[in-house]
Amino acid sequence: NAGVTQTPKFQVLKTGQSMTLQCAQDMNHEYMSWYRQDPGMGLRLIHYSVGAGITDQGEVPNGYNVSRSTTEDFPLRLLSAAPSQTSVYFCASSPGNSLYEQYFGPGTRLTVT
Amino acid sequence: GQQLNQSPQSMFIQEGEDVSMNCTSSSIFNTWLWYKQDPGEGPVLLIALYKAGELTSNGRLTAQFGITRKDSFLNISASIPSDVGIYFCAGQLGNNDMRFGAGTRLTVKP
Repeated sequence: NAGVTQTPKFQVLKTGQSMTLQCAQDMNHEYMSWYRQDPGMGLRLIHYSVGAGITDQGEVPNGYNVSRSTTEDFPLRLLSAAPSQTSVYFCASSPGNSLYEQYFGPGTRLTVT
Repeated sequence: GQQLNQSPQSMFIQEGEDVSMNCTSSSIFNTWLWYKQDPGEGPVLLIALYKAGELTSNGRLTAQFGITRKDSFLNISASIPSDVGIYFCAGQLGNNDMRFGAGTRLTVKP
């Protein structure tokens, strides 16, 4: 199993551009989530999904959209990038429909200029 | 939102020493988790705690879920160079609400 994969690993955007961060898992996990990690702070939940077709907002959802059309994929869309969205983004998945024992991807480092 | 206070922020220790770090909060948590993150990687789960008072070990790592459900500690015994990294605590408030501490950066000098 590849586990949780994320692409791209690095990305630079200009303010106002849009892009999609990709996340996929091959463990047949129901629960998937997106976090952002900023210096000196813990990971903060952006959006999560408890199964295909179901998504919900986390702690810091503004400026981000998600969809879950399949069990495997959970892309994160930045609609109009802002410098405040410069961060490292992690996707995670877990079995069942809760946050227990999450498996994290390697992260995407995003810089917005 | 409710914050987890993780301390210390960083530690510099000699190989072979024991390490202790903790997380506290004003909120009650249902689950406490401890993760380790290596540079350029995502966090990896070390220990999960599900009940107040629970004490769990994973090799040289031991973690406890505080009786009040508002705190947890992680101990690492006989540290080795590969213990270097950032350690995060995380607490689950509700079914889909996980909060993370800011991390403890551990440096181990050979």
